[in-house]
Amino acid sequence: ETGVTQSPTHLIKTRGQQVTLRCSSQSGHNTVSWYQQALGQGPQFIFQYYREEENGRGNFPPRFSGLQFPNYSSELNVNALELDDSALYLCASSRGGSSSYEQYFGPGTRLTVT
Amino acid sequence: EDQVTQSPEALRLQEGESSSLNCSYTVSGLRGLFWYRQDPGKGPEFLFTLYSAGEEKEKERLKATLTKKESFLHITAPKPEDSATYLCAVHGGYSTLTFGKGTMLLVSP
Repeated sequence: ETGVTQSPTHLIKTRGQQVTLRCSSQSGHNTVSWYQQALGQGPQFIFQYYREEENGRGNFPPRFSGLQFPNYSSELNVNALELDDSALYLCASSRGGSSSYEQYFGPGTRLTVT
Repeated sequence: EDQVTQSPEALRLQEGESSSLNCSYTVSGLRGLFWYRQDPGKGPEFLFTLYSAGEEKEKERLKATLTKKESFLHITAPKPEDSATYLCAVHGGYSTLTFGKGTMLLVSP
């Protein structure tokens, strides 16, 4: 069984630029959730995709957007990067469209905005 | 708004010294409480899901319990490889998981 994978591992961007992060879900999972984790904090929910539709969104501005593809992989796009966007971005996959199911996390993408 | 508070923020134990981590929560209807382990610079690793008060789950040296207001992660005779940050999360009235800040555990040989 293949686990959740994310790319790239690390990324350095300049304030104002745009970035796309990618996630491949675990085999058999049709739901992907994205989280932002600042240093010393717990993960904060950005949004969830279930069967290619957004299925819930946290308190993040519209410049954070996403997509889910027919193979259930997903992208997180962030426009107009700000210094505070520097964080570990985590993708988690699960079965079904509810957060009551166990979510399995990928290794994360470390984004640094300078 | 769902809230999760974990204590202590950090805990240092000697190898073999058992202890417990606490996760207090307020939710509008608990649908699930989750425990994760996170090593530095890595994604969280799923440990347990608890759904109702009184439920208990065990895995090796770890045991998770749940009441109506809090959950405990008991660590029995810990080893240095148990050193990590332990995260608690709840699924309540929203379609999201709400995480606590975690407890950083260090087990010395």
